[in-house]
Amino acid sequence: DVKVTQSSRYLVKRTGEKVFLECVQDMDHENMFWYRQDPGLGLRLIYFSYDVKMKEKGDIPEGYSVSREKKERFSLILESASTNQTSMYLCASIPGARADTQYFGPGTRLTVL
Amino acid sequence: RKEVEQDPGPFNVPEGATVAFNCTYSNSASQSFFWYRQDCRKEPKLLMSVYSSGNEDGRFTAQLNRASQYISLLIRDSKLSDSATYLCVVTHNAGNMLTFGGGTRLMVKP
Repeated sequence: DVKVTQSSRYLVKRTGEKVFLECVQDMDHENMFWYRQDPGLGLRLIYFSYDVKMKEKGDIPEGYSVSREKKERFSLILESASTNQTSMYLCASIPGARADTQYFGPGTRLTVL
Repeated sequence: RKEVEQDPGPFNVPEGATVAFNCTYSNSASQSFFWYRQDCRKEPKLLMSVYSSGNEDGRFTAQLNRASQYISLLIRDSKLSDSATYLCVVTHNAGNMLTFGGGTRLMVKP
């Protein structure tokens, strides 16, 4: 079974703090994704990576950066958290270009005060 | 206009009812189509792919209408366990990038 894990289920941070969200997958998948999910807006793609040290901007990259130093790990970084980044963050991975097999982590609910 | 649009619902139906959701997409170059299911406070999981000829998986039937740019999901004989949010998902020529609709919430009541 594919397993995608995220470092925290719930996180509370203060405005201006640097925040790291970690995602790890154990199935040697090439592609990894970070989404945020907000009521009424659905899932929106922040960044994705198709290989180690490679990254591409998604639809809403502003205020975020990412790091992929190892194939199994994809980190999302909020350099200076703001209240409008309060959201549910979901990581996902897929092997190759197989959109029908995208596996999600359990999500991190981030609250920025 | 959102690229993938769904009625947010909620759709409240009694057990045993048949319920259908539609989803419209704006990009005519969209290539692949899926329905995902998301339970409350859980991650989305693939429910079924949607094929051009339509496809069925038990009580679930998915259909695609490329001319009108919409896909549908029909659930027959609804169960309490079908209560969830159903996400419509499309991909473009990149193949591995998904665009999600906002989801339709279904509540099946006894």
